[in-house]
Amino acid sequence: AQSVAQPEDQVNVAEGNPLTVKCTYSVSGNPYLFWYVQYPNRGLQFLLKYITGDNLVKGSYGFEAEFNKSQTSFHLKKPSALVSDSALYFCAVRDANTGNNRKLIWGLGTSLAVNP
Amino acid sequence: DAGITQSPRYKITETGRQVTLMCHQTWSHSYMFWYRQDLGHGLRLIYYSAAADITDKGEVPDGYVVSRSKTENFPLTLESATRSQTSVYFCASSSLGLTDTQYFGPGTRLTVL
Repeated sequence: AQSVAQPEDQVNVAEGNPLTVKCTYSVSGNPYLFWYVQYPNRGLQFLLKYITGDNLVKGSYGFEAEFNKSQTSFHLKKPSALVSDSALYFCAVRDANTGNNRKLIWGLGTSLAVNP
Repeated sequence: DAGITQSPRYKITETGRQVTLMCHQTWSHSYMFWYRQDLGHGLRLIYYSAAADITDKGEVPDGYVVSRSKTENFPLTLESATRSQTSVYFCASSSLGLTDTQYFGPGTRLTVL
């Protein structure tokens, strides 16, 4: 069965420090992996995705994520955190072998707090 | 470019009443989705649609009805609202291609008293 785990409910980091938000997944075939961000009282915004190719994916707002097939992980990173990065982050996955089934499996979210 | 919109943004209703949440997208995306977001549960898929007149159940479809007569609209109806349906509801859409990126509306906060 497909699943996504975000092992940390909350991550705290000081402004200017690097940040990492963790995501691990389980699918039977090749994964399509996504990160979304949700600011308070807003809808989810797409940050980046891994479909194929380079394991390091760069996305919006200076975020990047590294796909690690052996560790089945797709951690979100940013070299220097901003207070404005404080938000709820969601990881999602789909098995590439499920054809036209476009349903994504979502993690429960990680709340990122960047302290000034 | 309006993208994807939801209405109303906030709704308070009473138990037993019928409520319809609207979703409209301007991209002509084939796929549309309804999620609910609750603390501790993340996002849960209620229903989705691959095209006009094609809908299918997600994880938590009970108590909800959808229709999709036009590509751009995907209304969600709570036939007889219950307090457990108090939640934030998000509509999303994605194109037919392999990219799968889903684009979300701003959400509807529904309170059932």
